[in-house]
Order: sequence, then structure tokens, then C-alpha cells
Amino acid sequence: GAVVSQHPSRVICKSGTSVKIECRSLDFQATTMFWYRQFPKQSLMLMATSNEGSKATYEQGVEKDKFLINHASLTLSTLTVTSAHPEDSSFYICSARDRIVNTEAFFGQGTRLTVV
Amino acid sequence: QKEVEQNSGPLSVPEGAIASLNCTYSDRVSQSFFWYRQYSGKSPELIMSIYSNGDKEDGRFTAQLNKASQYVSLLIRDSQPSDSATYLCAVNSQAAGNKLTFGGGTRVLVKP
Repeated sequence: GAVVSQHPSRVICKSGTSVKIECRSLDFQATTMFWYRQFPKQSLMLMATSNEGSKATYEQGVEKDKFLINHASLTLSTLTVTSAHPEDSSFYICSARDRIVNTEAFFGQGTRLTVV
Repeated sequence: QKEVEQNSGPLSVPEGAIASLNCTYSDRVSQSFFWYRQYSGKSPELIMSIYSNGDKEDGRFTAQLNKASQYVSLLIRDSQPSDSATYLCAVNSQAAGNKLTFGGGTRVLVKP
């Protein structure tokens, strides 16, 4: 399958600071990338859909000013958690869909964010 | 009613047996169906995709799709301890914005 690289894999930050997470498609072009968060023993919750060159579409209840998404190129999307709080601690996962084979989505390794 | 429903498990199977996982979905215009495997603390890994009614086999995995019944299943033959994980069913519908909707996952435990 296609390779999606997500960095960092783990990050610990202080309350009030911002954290940027990168998601790259390494061997394909992704017009669409998705950002999820997952709490322990729960399923994936879609936060937003990121389309190259346009504004992200956020799911209901997700604060767009808190979770900034940028999709500047066909291979890179970033999620910035601004003014992080302990309740933002979670597992954040991106996935990317191949521009050509627009069906399957491949996941990055995930980022474990801990806000202290 | 949840859009994609799975039994949370755990589904406990002895090594070498067949594990059978079920998934139902509510959006009748769904077009693409996927099974992902997720190990604890890791991100999901795509193991099967299926788009038309019937069976699709890949190694020890068989996916079955019945659009009339809005039902998709996954069979794991000759289950191994390494198959112990959470299996996520995902459904894609272009009518719903071409987004993947995930079920809650079924935890599978293969006992040696």
C-alpha cells in the first residue's frame, strides 16, 4: 500500500503552547487528507477534511480556530493544535487518499499528544 | 442509530480457528467498504477493500458484501495470535462527501 508519514510520533507540550503535526504522502499525490483523533478504547473521530489549495472542512463540534489545518501541497498537510490544554491530549491520526485511485485511504503512524 | 455498527467484542477465538466479524451500515448509497486492523497504540492498517456484492479473498482474509442487507463481514481463517487486534469497518459514500465513516471496532483475541 501507499506510504503516509506523520511526524512527530509523540509530543509532550505545556498548556497554552501550540503543537504542529505534519502528514506527508511519500509515494503518491493526495488531493484529500483527513485528520482524526482517537481517545483510548474509542474509535476514530473525524475532525476535518483537508483539500489541497482550499480551506479545510471541519466536522460539527470541532473548533477550526483551535485546530488549524493547512494543505499547501499535494503531499503535505499540517494540523496545528493551538493553545493546547490537557483535554486535547489524544492520539491524532492523518490519512490520505490517492488522487488517482480515489477510494482507499492510507493512514499515517499517528501522533500521541500529551499536554501537561 | 449509528451509521456503521460493529460488535465491540472481545471476540475470542482459539488459534487456527476462523474469526468472523460483522458490520452493518445505514447509508444505502455507500459504495466502498474497507476493513482496517489496528494494534493497540498504533494507527489503522488497511487489510481489505470491497466494492461489489459477493466475496473477496486475500490470503487468510475474506470480505463479504451484501448491499441489499447493508452488511459487510470479514473472515479470518487459521487465526494466529498476531491477528489479535481491533478490526475497524469503514464505509465510504460519495453522496456523504466522500468521507470514510468508521464503526466502533471489534476487538479480536486469538488464544494460543
